[in-house]
Amino acid sequence: DAGVIQSPRHEVTEMGQEVTLRCKPISGHNSLFWYRQTMMRGLELLIYFNNNVPIDDSGMPEDRFSAKMPNASFSTLKIQPSEPRDSAVYFCASSGRNSNQPQHFGDGTRLSIL
Amino acid sequence: AQSVTQLDSHVSVSEGTPVLLRCNYSSSYSPSLFWYVQHPNKGLQLLLKYTSAATLVKGINGFEAEFKKSETSFHLTKPSAHMSDAAEYFCVVSVSFGNEKLTFGTGTRLTIIP
Repeated sequence: DAGVIQSPRHEVTEMGQEVTLRCKPISGHNSLFWYRQTMMRGLELLIYFNNNVPIDDSGMPEDRFSAKMPNASFSTLKIQPSEPRDSAVYFCASSGRNSNQPQHFGDGTRLSIL
Repeated sequence: AQSVTQLDSHVSVSEGTPVLLRCNYSSSYSPSLFWYVQHPNKGLQLLLKYTSAATLVKGINGFEAEFKKSETSFHLTKPSAHMSDAAEYFCVVSVSFGNEKLTFGTGTRLTIIP
C-alpha cells in the first residue's frame, strides 16, 4: 500500500520566494496533519484538517504560512514570502477516523531557504 | 494539558544487549501512548501504541513497552539490540477522546556499538 507521499523531497530556494509543499494522504484517511521539525524546537504541529476542513491552525507561525486541502487526496502548505528561519523538515501525516488511530508520516520535505 | 518527558537524549548500547528507552507522561485524561522511530532522512514510523487495552504492548522489530499508570511511565524495551535499531525514538501522547493532537517528546537517539 502506498503511504503518505510528499513532494518535493528537497527544496532549496532564496529568501522572498514562494514555496509550496505538497502532500497526498493515505487513501481513506480523513485527518491530515502538517508538522515542522527543527533541531531547536523538535516536532511542531502546524495545522491539521479533518474531512478537508482546517480544525486547528494555532501552530502556524505567521501569516506567511497557509495550508489548504481542496479534496481528500491532496493538501498544500505554502510559505510566502519565505525566510531563512523557515528552513526545516516539513512532514505531512494522515490518520483514520478513530481518534486513537495512529498517524502515518511521509518522508518529509527538507526545505532550505538561502 | 498533556506532556511527555523522555529522560535520556542519547542512549548507547552494544549490539546484542538489552535496550531501555525511558518515557514519562502527564495527562489529565486517559491517554493514548505511542512510540515512533525515525531513521535518518525518513519520516516517523509507528513502533507500537497503547490505547487502554493490555498494559504490555508488543510492537514491530521486537520492541515492547509497558504502560504503568502508578508510575506514569511508558518505557520502551528490546531484549537484544541490532545495528539496524540505531535511530531517533519519540514517545508520544494523545488525549483519547476526539483530540487528535499529538504531543511529542524531545526524542532519544539510540546508538548501537558493534
